[in-house]
Amino acid sequence: EPEVTQTPSHQVTQMGQEVILRCVPISNHLYFYWYRQILGQKVEFLVSFYNNEISEKSEIFDDQFSVERPDGSNFTLKIRSTKLEDSAMYFCASSVQRYYGYTFGSGTRLTVV
Amino acid sequence: AQTVTQSQPEMSVQEAETVTLSCTYDTSENNYYLFWYKQPPSRQMILVIRQEAYKQQNATENRFSVNFQKAAKSFSLKISDSQLGDTAMYFCAFMKLSGGGADGLTFGKGTHLIIQP
Repeated sequence: EPEVTQTPSHQVTQMGQEVILRCVPISNHLYFYWYRQILGQKVEFLVSFYNNEISEKSEIFDDQFSVERPDGSNFTLKIRSTKLEDSAMYFCASSVQRYYGYTFGSGTRLTVV
Repeated sequence: AQTVTQSQPEMSVQEAETVTLSCTYDTSENNYYLFWYKQPPSRQMILVIRQEAYKQQNATENRFSVNFQKAAKSFSLKISDSQLGDTAMYFCAFMKLSGGGADGLTFGKGTHLIIQP
């Protein structure tokens, strides 16, 4: 069964550093998303991406965040200057149709120290 | 803005029993989708079931079914013949229909379901 692949599975970074989280969505999917889950809390929407541009973003997705689809397969989330409160599990997801339901990746655990 | 409320932080049942997880939501939208996602200890989010708000018929997927009450804004998940592998966090989620592009999900806080042998 096709999977959404996220790398790395765990990343530790120092406060103020830039991080790039990588995702390879399912190949025929057209809609891409990033979510985060702070430990013990609910899953929060960050951003959605369709047709090579951001479709929707939440209040969390401020100027420190950016997304790119640099080639036909990768979908990245960049945090320019990490803060302690950015520590969370970050999930990438993709879907073939808007309301079909997503396939999530296994997540990247980001720890900012 | 939409909100999703799951009032049961944790539930525990015996294997083979039936369990119902509750979810209520608040929205001014008339057209939307509702989902239940499962998050086992592996942490990956897995789609369990999906309901279109304009459909009155409740969705079913094998042992999983929903009770969708649009007027009451309620969307509960019933798991029949529960199995040990059903142990997980279960999240209820809402997605509104919009004119174009991709839409984000609004999640509830989750219910930790434990299936006891």
